Amino acid sequence: ETGVTQTPRHLVMGMTNKKSLKCEQHLGHNAMYWYKQSAKKPLELMFVYSLEERVENNSVPSRFSPECPNSSHLFLHLHTLQPEDSALYLCASSLGGRTDTQYFGPGTRLTVL
Amino acid sequence: GENVEQHPSTLSVQEGDSAVIKCTYSDSASNYFPWYKQELGKRPQLIIDIRSNVGEKKDQRIAVTLNKTAKHFSLHITETQPEDSAVYFCAASKPGTYKYIFGTGTRLKVLA
Repeated sequence: ETGVTQTPRHLVMGMTNKKSLKCEQHLGHNAMYWYKQSAKKPLELMFVYSLEERVENNSVPSRFSPECPNSSHLFLHLHTLQPEDSALYLCASSLGGRTDTQYFGPGTRLTVL
Repeated sequence: GENVEQHPSTLSVQEGDSAVIKCTYSDSASNYFPWYKQELGKRPQLIIDIRSNVGEKKDQRIAVTLNKTAKHFSLHITETQPEDSAVYFCAASKPGTYKYIFGTGTRLKVLA
């Protein structure tokens, strides 16, 4: 698959588990994003990285921890999540950030029991 | 704070008819307005976008219009087909930020 890929596609975890979501982009982009998509709510931006530096952090609980080891990979580390964290987590990338077009991955459907 | 209002939340049209979805943004500094289509279980995909230096952009059956004075922009789909059925999201972005402000989405159903 080309473009933006995410693994796993589905994840079920208990509140005490630790898991990680992975995103990889094959577009040569420099900016990467994590979004949360919940039913009947707008897409919520969580984190933005540009050239591996975090440039936005929108008041996200510390139980979500991002990591960007290089401009092609982005991780979201999860620990002690709550049931209300169940949602679709989308990764996106853009060429240079700011008002450049964002391209989305297929998402990880997360269920917290 | 910054927000984008999107209407309607659901829209049903007969195949072949036109569909119009409207968004209003609050931040007058916004200058980039993308529209995304998300089919069930799939990723949001960009279908058209417009920047504030133009008032209208068209791509085959899809067009977007922008009224900067009124701070609203609209998506127009003509000759709708069943495969147009999806959730459509508008967004607004401004210089100096990586952030898109998304609307709440419109579920479009095209009835055959």
